[in-house]
Amino acid sequence: DAKTTQPNSMESNEEEPVHLPCNHSTISGTDYIHWYRQLPSQGPEYVIHGLTSNVNNRMASLAIAEDRKSSTLILHRATLRDAAVYYCILRDNFNKFYFGSGTKLNVKP
Amino acid sequence: EAGVVQSPRYKIIEKKQPVAFWCNPISGHNTLYWYRQNLGQGPELLIRYENEEAVDDSQLPKDRFSAERLKGVDSTLKIQPAELGDSAVYLCASSYDGAGWADTQYFGPGTRLTVL
Repeated sequence: DAKTTQPNSMESNEEEPVHLPCNHSTISGTDYIHWYRQLPSQGPEYVIHGLTSNVNNRMASLAIAEDRKSSTLILHRATLRDAAVYYCILRDNFNKFYFGSGTKLNVKP
Repeated sequence: EAGVVQSPRYKIIEKKQPVAFWCNPISGHNTLYWYRQNLGQGPELLIRYENEEAVDDSQLPKDRFSAERLKGVDSTLKIQPAELGDSAVYLCASSYDGAGWADTQYFGPGTRLTVL
């Protein structure tokens, strides 16, 4: 019963921006939105998180819709090392992470 | 700072055999998680510990799976007996304070289990 919906795959050219969408229409007011990514043969790694406001860090930006029913992870300049599966996750107030199936990002040189 | 350590990285066993996975979390992290990740899917939580206490084991198949976290540091996840459907990657994660609203989880590389 995944709480998030993401496209199965996306493709980007190197050094171009990438916008990874996520729908979470059943989000509750206290759920945080987390993004993690998973490189082949590795565990997921943290990318960014937010609650209501847009967020920026060294890795990416997170844009959250005003109604919070969707969000978008933005990689400003994709590199080959950004090729991974990106998970949009809701974190509830019991500290439980709900992973979806993720979006496999392919970056072309 | 060392990350989450898991061993073994790979394990191949025959069905009905027992298997155990070990995890050492990041030093100082009180909360430890075990996840199972089936091929092509996101991780699913099996059990969460806060120190020595299992605070969420609702998704752990208790007929064959068991876990322990003695002394609130490292942890072992066991399957006995293993079934073909248990083939998956078993991930361990830790966080400083699982009760924090925005707490980040740090994942280990996982153990890939193949049951023949």
